[in-house]
Amino acid sequence: EVQLVESGGGLVQPGGSLRLSCAASGFTFSNYWMHWVRQAPGKGLVWVSRINTDGSTTTYADSVKGRFTISRDNAKNTMYLQMNSLRAEDTAVYYCARAESSGWYKIWGQGTLVTVSS
Amino acid sequence: QSVLTQPPSVSAAPGQKVTISCSGSSSNIGSNYVSWYRQLPGTAPKLLIYENNKRPSGIPDRFSGSKSGTSATLGITGLQTGDEADYYCGTWDNSLSAVVFGGGTKLTVL
Repeated sequence: EVQLVESGGGLVQPGGSLRLSCAASGFTFSNYWMHWVRQAPGKGLVWVSRINTDGSTTTYADSVKGRFTISRDNAKNTMYLQMNSLRAEDTAVYYCARAESSGWYKIWGQGTLVTVSS
Repeated sequence: QSVLTQPPSVSAAPGQKVTISCSGSSSNIGSNYVSWYRQLPGTAPKLLIYENNKRPSGIPDRFSGSKSGTSATLGITGLQTGDEADYYCGTWDNSLSAVVFGGGTKLTVL
């Protein structure tokens, strides 16, 4: 079964750090660009970041540039999102998603909740 | 404020048809494929339409997509109560170098 499973969410204080993981199974992970998308409580979908197949190219939304770092380990079939200097407005469910050829997402993870609060 | 503009809500009766619009610009919808997603409360989004008008396997032909210029439209016919959900459009934006989504449209089946 093709699957993405996020982990690593939780409660963190403003200014703190958290690392999210996205474990892939059921497909050749190294063949796909991977993305992070987040959704604040009661709000819409917001794209966060993407990484190419070998990890050499990364792109970020302006709102997280300089604070978040996306990476991947193809040997472990896992993508990561290192989140530093967290702010209250980063509170959201974070989804990882597999990008298809022209940029759409067929496979999504179940999401992991990140809450930034003192 | 989202880069792509969707109506906040739409409604129709069971069995009827509804359309959801998604308006953008030349840097996003005007030059890239559009995809559509449905999201039920507490669950991950699910792909409904990709590359403007294609349906993944398992998505019934009650769902359709179209694109004209800088706008796209999702159509749903034969509405069912189970279609009540939030619907999002998405595409790549060449100027922002980012994926952009609409703000979402809540569909109510009266």
